[in-house]
Amino acid sequence: NAGVTQTPKFRILKIGQSMTLQCTQDMNHNYMYWYRQDPGMGLKLIYYSVGAGITDKGEVPNGYNVSRSTTEDFPLRLELAAPSQTSVYFCASSPGEGFEQFFGPGTRLTVL
Amino acid sequence: GNSVTQMEGPVTLSEEAFLTINCTYTATGYPSLFWYVQYPGEGLQLLLKATKADDKGSNKGFEATYRKETTSFHLEKGSVQVSDSAVYFCALSDSGRRYSSASKIIFGSGTRLSIRP
Repeated sequence: NAGVTQTPKFRILKIGQSMTLQCTQDMNHNYMYWYRQDPGMGLKLIYYSVGAGITDKGEVPNGYNVSRSTTEDFPLRLELAAPSQTSVYFCASSPGEGFEQFFGPGTRLTVL
Repeated sequence: GNSVTQMEGPVTLSEEAFLTINCTYTATGYPSLFWYVQYPGEGLQLLLKATKADDKGSNKGFEATYRKETTSFHLEKGSVQVSDSAVYFCALSDSGRRYSSASKIIFGSGTRLSIRP
């Protein structure tokens, strides 16, 4: 099992550009999550999903969108990138509520 | 609402020193408790967990005991190594309930640990 994979590892965007951060898991987990981690800070939940076709907002959803068409994939879309979105983005999955989360290696995004 | 408060860092220790990182929580119901570790440049990975009161989680020489009476889950290690240098996150999750928007893992702000040779 590869676990949770994320692409790309690094990306630099200009203000106003858009991009999609990819996340795939091969553990057949129903729950998936997107977090951002700002320098020296903890994790903030952006969006999460409890299964294909079901998504919901977390703590900091503004400026982002997600979709969950399959169990495996949970892409995060940034529209009109802003410098405030400079962060490291982590995707995670879990077999269910209350269970541990498995994290991907992260995507480091810089918006200039 | 649910919350996790952990000791602010950074924490700097010499190799073979005793480590304690404090974590307290506020939660309704009976949460599961976790410690995650993040090594430089990597994602978070589960270090240990405890799912009910008085449980002790342990892994790689680290231990933490779920104390409901003090709402704490302090992380300890008897003799730290340079390779333990990382950021440690305490977290809680409601378990055993049907999904609701309030039932997600709540992370503390993290404690950076540096070990000197």
